[in-house]
Amino acid sequence: EPEVTQTPSHQVTQMGQEVILRCVPISNHLYFYWYRQILGQKVEFLVSFYNNEISEKSEIFDDQFSVERPDGSNFTLKIRSTKLEDSAMYFCASSGGSTNEKLFFGSGTQLSVL
Amino acid sequence: SQQGEEDPQALSIQEGENATMNCSYKTSINNLQWYRQNSGRGLVHLILIRSNEREKHSGRLRVTLDTSKKSSSLLITASRAADTASYFCATDGADRGSTLGRLYFGRGTQLTVWP
Repeated sequence: EPEVTQTPSHQVTQMGQEVILRCVPISNHLYFYWYRQILGQKVEFLVSFYNNEISEKSEIFDDQFSVERPDGSNFTLKIRSTKLEDSAMYFCASSGGSTNEKLFFGSGTQLSVL
Repeated sequence: SQQGEEDPQALSIQEGENATMNCSYKTSINNLQWYRQNSGRGLVHLILIRSNEREKHSGRLRVTLDTSKKSSSLLITASRAADTASYFCATDGADRGSTLGRLYFGRGTQLTVWP
């Protein structure tokens, strides 16, 4: 069964550093998303992306965050200057096909900002 | 807020028993979804129920939706140890004009099924 893959599975970085989280969505999907889950808290929406542009972003997705689809397969989330509170599990998801509302999630990247 | 809230927060049962988890939400929806998350893994879609549906089945899963009470329930029948996971309900943002795929998750129910 096709799946969303994310790399790396764990990322440790120093506060103020830039990180890029990478995702390969399911190949025939057209809608892409990033969500995050801070330990013990709810899964929160960050951003949705369609037709090479952001469809919607949450209040969490400030100027420090950006997304890009640099080629036909990858979808990246960049955090320019990480903060301690950015530590979380970041999930990429995609949707498409006959049931656009159903999201397929990757296994996540655990980001730890020290 | 829009988010679904699951109840109970934790549920512990024996294999073979049924597990029922509830979800309440606050605003109008187009659909409600249930997802499962194994420890340290991504979320896996289980079932989607639309606002004009009252009940839906998928294998051992049964989902109900009561839009008048703004609540949903997920029933897992004849549970197995492999069902141990966190279960989340997620609503769309119909009332807020949210775009496709923006889901509002609850905190989840941690289900433990003992062999």
